[in-house]
Amino acid sequence: LAKTTQPISMDSYEGQEVNITCSHNNIATNDYITWYQQFPSQGPRFIIQGYKTKVTNEVASLFIPADRKSSTLSLPRVSLSDTAVYYCLVGDEGGATNKLIFGTGTLLAVQP
Amino acid sequence: GAVVSQHPSWVICKSGTSVKIECRSLDFQATTMFWYRQFPKQSLMLMATSNEGSKATYEQGVEKDKFLINHASLTLSTLTVTSAHPEDSSFYICSAAQTGNTEAFFGQGTRLTVV
Repeated sequence: LAKTTQPISMDSYEGQEVNITCSHNNIATNDYITWYQQFPSQGPRFIIQGYKTKVTNEVASLFIPADRKSSTLSLPRVSLSDTAVYYCLVGDEGGATNKLIFGTGTLLAVQP
Repeated sequence: GAVVSQHPSWVICKSGTSVKIECRSLDFQATTMFWYRQFPKQSLMLMATSNEGSKATYEQGVEKDKFLINHASLTLSTLTVTSAHPEDSSFYICSAAQTGNTEAFFGQGTRLTVV
């Protein structure tokens, strides 16, 4: 299972764009990259998933370079409610049997 | 998206007693579910993989006789913390995924406090 490395914490202000980068040097050919958000005392919530290039949904964008050894989660115009821990995970296709190993995560603190 | 529900959301029990936590996939069947434990200000730690109709697979360092897992149906897995002690106080989270879906869905978590 590929290991991920991301910054322990980041600070931002409301209205700014936040980019959180994750390193996964040993990512396997079949691995997808998935980002989750976790608020205190809640289970993680899916944000976005990608395999290569760029993926965008209503809450975030995910940028993956050609070598796939890293990825960047981009949150546009963050608000106070985006303060949370963000986890980057990699794993095989077929999530039913894919156990997800969580790294340290990045604590994003958004200030007014 | 799919919904995974845990019950109870929080529980307080006396030291030495056992506590059962339920994890249900509400709108899909899950042959595999996962149990995690999270201590304050730490990441989620995988405890075990729950397999429907067979024995659970435990991660290294997790006592299988203390954390009993039963996955009797395709929509329900239970985690029983036996003879709980204060050091077992933690946030327990389950997850499940549909076959062929790369996205995992997590329950809301259960806060266990052993006094």
